[in-house]
Amino acid sequence: AQSVTQPDIHITVSEGASLELRCNYSYGATPYLFWYVQSPGQGLQLLLKYFSGDTLVQGIKGFEAEFKRSQSSFNLRKPSVHWSDAAEYFCAVHHSSYKLIFGSGTRLLVRP
Amino acid sequence: ETGVTQSPTHLIKTRGQQVTLRCSSQSGHNTVSWYQQALGQGPQFIFQYYREEENGRGNFPPRFSGLQFPNYSSELNVNALELDDSALYLCASSLGGTGGENEQFFGPGTRLTVL
Repeated sequence: AQSVTQPDIHITVSEGASLELRCNYSYGATPYLFWYVQSPGQGLQLLLKYFSGDTLVQGIKGFEAEFKRSQSSFNLRKPSVHWSDAAEYFCAVHHSSYKLIFGSGTRLLVRP
Repeated sequence: ETGVTQSPTHLIKTRGQQVTLRCSSQSGHNTVSWYQQALGQGPQFIFQYYREEENGRGNFPPRFSGLQFPNYSSELNVNALELDDSALYLCASSLGGTGGENEQFFGPGTRLTVL
């Protein structure tokens, strides 16, 4: 069955430090992959998406992600974290042409 | 351009009651998807409506039902509420019923508490 795994429940980084959030997927075909961010009390905002082509995709707010088919991974990165990046981050895969399957999320805490 | 809106923001119900949640899709979008997000978990797909027809359904019982109207707004109805139905309910709209490249735009959600 298709699934998305985010192995880190919480991650804490210092402001200005680099960030990498892990995402592994299980999907038979070429996946459509997404990263969303959710701030407290808010809905989900799309950070970036991968459909095909260049495996390094750029998103909003300075985020990027790299698709690695051999590792079934789609990790999210940011070179320098800002305090405003503190939020919950969700990786998702598009399945069966109509639904998104989400991981359980990673909560990012940013130390001043 | 108006984004996806949901009402109400918060709702408290008791077990056994029925609830209706509402969603207005983004202008020009003809597809609405509903997700349930329990505390500490990722969203789970409930169902999708495309041009007023159910286009797909997740692993939710029949007491979860929906509607989509000609203006593409949508309702989620839950009958015989259970304690485990307490969650954030998210609505997402998109253009086109199929295809992963159609980005889903999410509303702020409705927080349902069942006592």
